[in-house]
Amino acid sequence: DIVMTQSPDSLAVSLGERATINCKSSQSVFFSSNNKNYLAWYQQKPGQPPKLLIYWASTRESGVPHRFSGSGSGTHFTLTISSLQAEDVAVYYCQQYFTTPRAFGQGTKVEIK
Amino acid sequence: QVQLMQSGAEVRRPGASVKVSCTLSGYPLNETSIHWVRQAPGKGLEWIGGFDPEDGETFYAQKFQGRVTMTEDPSTDTAYLELNSLRSGDTAMYYCATLWFGAFPETAFDFWGQGTMVTVSS
Repeated sequence: DIVMTQSPDSLAVSLGERATINCKSSQSVFFSSNNKNYLAWYQQKPGQPPKLLIYWASTRESGVPHRFSGSGSGTHFTLTISSLQAEDVAVYYCQQYFTTPRAFGQGTKVEIK
Repeated sequence: QVQLMQSGAEVRRPGASVKVSCTLSGYPLNETSIHWVRQAPGKGLEWIGGFDPEDGETFYAQKFQGRVTMTEDPSTDTAYLELNSLRSGDTAMYYCATLWFGAFPETAFDFWGQGTMVTVSS
């Protein structure tokens, strides 16, 4: 089974500053036949289901602000919030959909410093 | 507008079973695949299982094998999650979700239900 590990577990960033979350998979989630990384990022706020931000490692979901971006390939991925806003306070998860079980990372809590 | 509507909160004794429903509206169930994810209080997301359209099979996470059954009723566009031999560690919010991503063109069909709280307590 693929294990997803996020770092850090939590981070506090000043408003307007950059927030960076890392996600590492125990095996590559890159499929060479279609040149795709099977990796998604979700945002979850208290009392709500997760909301999709990024899929295929770097494709922003419709309606997601441009300050959210995803990068990486193979086993190492990054979610970047370029200028943190108050409404970005949440827990962020990566998930691989390359194979089953579709493991999630343990989550990274983002707060305002 | 695509929506997933789940059944209400449940309370069960240890050893009992629970069946949670998830009704899809705005899209036919037989043209997508439903996954189930749970979240214990204050904890992270845990994938339970889901249907893989490429393989045509339903896959379960190993820790739930033998205790979980996922079914669908296309006539009512409703998916079901049944979990047996409940224990206190199964206390969690259970979500259904579509979790489908198309490669060409790049498309996401990612919708989540509101969640069903299952509490296991003696």
